[in-house]
Amino acid sequence: GDSVTQMEGPVTLSEEAFLTINCTYTATGYPSLFWYVQYPGEGLQLLLKATKADDKGSNKGFEATYRKETTSFHLEKGSVQVSDSAVYFCALSDRPAGNNRKLIWGLGTSLAVNP
Amino acid sequence: EAGVAQSPRYKIIEKRQSVAFWCNPISGHATLYWYQQILGQGPKLLIQFQNNGVVDDSQLPKDRFSAERLKGVDSTLKIQPAKLEDSAVYLCASSSQGGNTQYFGPGTRLTVL
Repeated sequence: GDSVTQMEGPVTLSEEAFLTINCTYTATGYPSLFWYVQYPGEGLQLLLKATKADDKGSNKGFEATYRKETTSFHLEKGSVQVSDSAVYFCALSDRPAGNNRKLIWGLGTSLAVNP
Repeated sequence: EAGVAQSPRYKIIEKRQSVAFWCNPISGHATLYWYQQILGQGPKLLIQFQNNGVVDDSQLPKDRFSAERLKGVDSTLKIQPAKLEDSAVYLCASSSQGGNTQYFGPGTRLTVL
């Protein structure tokens, strides 16, 4: 079945460092890909998404490109801030017939940014 | 546009008691999801509604969990009786019909003592 694999955390960076969180997937069809972020004590927020190959999602300085040839959707940010400390989840949405669309989740990667 | 609303935000109960959570999705969203997120893990889908019908409840522990969405708008998730292992954050999400993006509420943090 479909699956998502994320790099394990925790990831600890200094402020203004470059961030990459790796995400790869397996899917039989053409899924949509998502990054969600969960700040401490809060629910999940959609960070960015991409719906087809070569699409680039971007938001708040974060970017991820849908790479079908490498089945990847790595999250990047050029200069992290302390406020980016959170858990980041990669997910894919399959495209079955009918209405039973599901999100398949990675295990999450915890990011801590130190001042 | 108002987001997904959930209440309460926090709940502490003793084992064997019952508890109910409420969710109001984004206006016009036909699909509603309930997830359970145990500390340090990703979300686990409990049940998915399309309007007021159940699309998927394969991972819902039906001996103790129940959910309803009677008018196809807001929804209630109930646990009766609660167990210690039910301590988790319960997340509600919604999406438009046929949409591939789910929008989440703030969650309800349940502690079972």
